[in-house]
Amino acid sequence: DTGVSQNPRHKITKRGQNVTFRCDPISEHNRLYWYRQTLGQGPEFLTYFQNEAQLEKSRLLSDRFSAERPKGSFSTLEIQRTEQGDSAMYLCASSRTTEAFFGQGTRLTVV
Amino acid sequence: QKEVEQDPGPLSVPEGAIVSLNCTYSNSAFQYFMWYRQYSRKGPELLMYTYSSGNKEDGRFTAQVDKSSKYISLFIRDSQPSDSATYLCAQDYTDKLIFGTGTRLQVFP
Repeated sequence: DTGVSQNPRHKITKRGQNVTFRCDPISEHNRLYWYRQTLGQGPEFLTYFQNEAQLEKSRLLSDRFSAERPKGSFSTLEIQRTEQGDSAMYLCASSRTTEAFFGQGTRLTVV
Repeated sequence: QKEVEQDPGPLSVPEGAIVSLNCTYSNSAFQYFMWYRQYSRKGPELLMYTYSSGNKEDGRFTAQVDKSSKYISLFIRDSQPSDSATYLCAQDYTDKLIFGTGTRLQVFP
């Protein structure tokens, strides 16, 4: 499968715990994006990488959130001290030009 | 005003109907628009993208952009039950996509 891969698919965590998600983009896609989607809403932009450089961050990305893309390949999104409001689907997308392709997402439930 | 607005539906149509899905946008500076289809608990799947005004056709799907009214549309001909999903419109702001809320479509046999 050569699509965008995200792991894990589901994560249940207790409030206050840290979680980390991984995204493997389509090979040779230099752009990588993270979005968050809650029920009944469209995806909301979190952050964007071009190669290994993080070029833009949304105000939604509080200081509890951090994203990395070492060597411009896979990316990780970490949430520290999770809160119930962090429960959502976290989506990763990659692109080379205009068309962005999404992974299946990681569904986070904070209990 | 949200940057991209979309009627959430739900929209329920019989099999074989022509479906019209619509969005409006507020920022005319960005002229790439996308339509994604999202099945329940799955990631969005890119259907089509268009640039500026005009129509683009791909099989049963036609995407249309009207710059004068800041209106984008997706038409689905001969709708099938397998088209039942949420349809998301998005505007490309160069470094990110701004999405509408999505319209839930149900095609019944």
